[in-house]
Amino acid sequence: GAGVSQSPSNKVTEKGKDVELRCDPISGHTALYWYRQSLGQGLEFLIYFQGNSAPDKSGLPSDRFSAERTGGSVSTLTIQRTQQEDSAVYLCASSLGLGQSEQYFGPGTRLTVT
Amino acid sequence: DQQVKQNSPSLSVQEGRISILNCDYTNSMFDYFLWYKKYPAEGPTFLISISSIKDKNEDGRFTVFLNKSAKHLSLHIVPSQPGDSAVYFCAASEGGGSNYKLTFGKGTLLTVNP
Repeated sequence: GAGVSQSPSNKVTEKGKDVELRCDPISGHTALYWYRQSLGQGLEFLIYFQGNSAPDKSGLPSDRFSAERTGGSVSTLTIQRTQQEDSAVYLCASSLGLGQSEQYFGPGTRLTVT
Repeated sequence: DQQVKQNSPSLSVQEGRISILNCDYTNSMFDYFLWYKKYPAEGPTFLISISSIKDKNEDGRFTVFLNKSAKHLSLHIVPSQPGDSAVYFCAASEGGGSNYKLTFGKGTLLTVNP
């Protein structure tokens, strides 16, 4: 079956521009998560969705970051006015539900801000 | 403040020998631990997990040991195979049915030499 997919796989953008990253979770997975991995670092939790609701946004680095999920499926992570420190690999994961610790990850989007 | 630490950035092992990857944590509220494996340009894939009520969990060639008093866990791979060469991430969550947020270490690059 299809796994978690993310698009684009690579994105190069100029500082100050907005970017949108997309995640398609595994069909039937109600929980969706966004992480990012900066160079030489571990994965950093950003936000999660249960259905279309995001109860915990505390991991978002700044108010330039936002995320939404529609129809309990696709999610987009938007970064406004990108900065160089936003350069990282952004990973999306999904799981059958909250409390299901096995999160299935997508391949990630590598964002480079020049 | 790193709550999950993998102090060895890399490890090199001969094929057929045992690989031991270590992980330390500081948050005493963590009660569920996972290991993920990551190949280049792919998302992490779940390998094995352990609840804090256990001190050992085994799955084929992979065994995870948990020492709660020392806040230490380790992943043993035996026998190691060249296909095991990847980055291994240790992750932890506070569980209790709300274990949506995984806290990751920075990873250990394992190289298994033929």
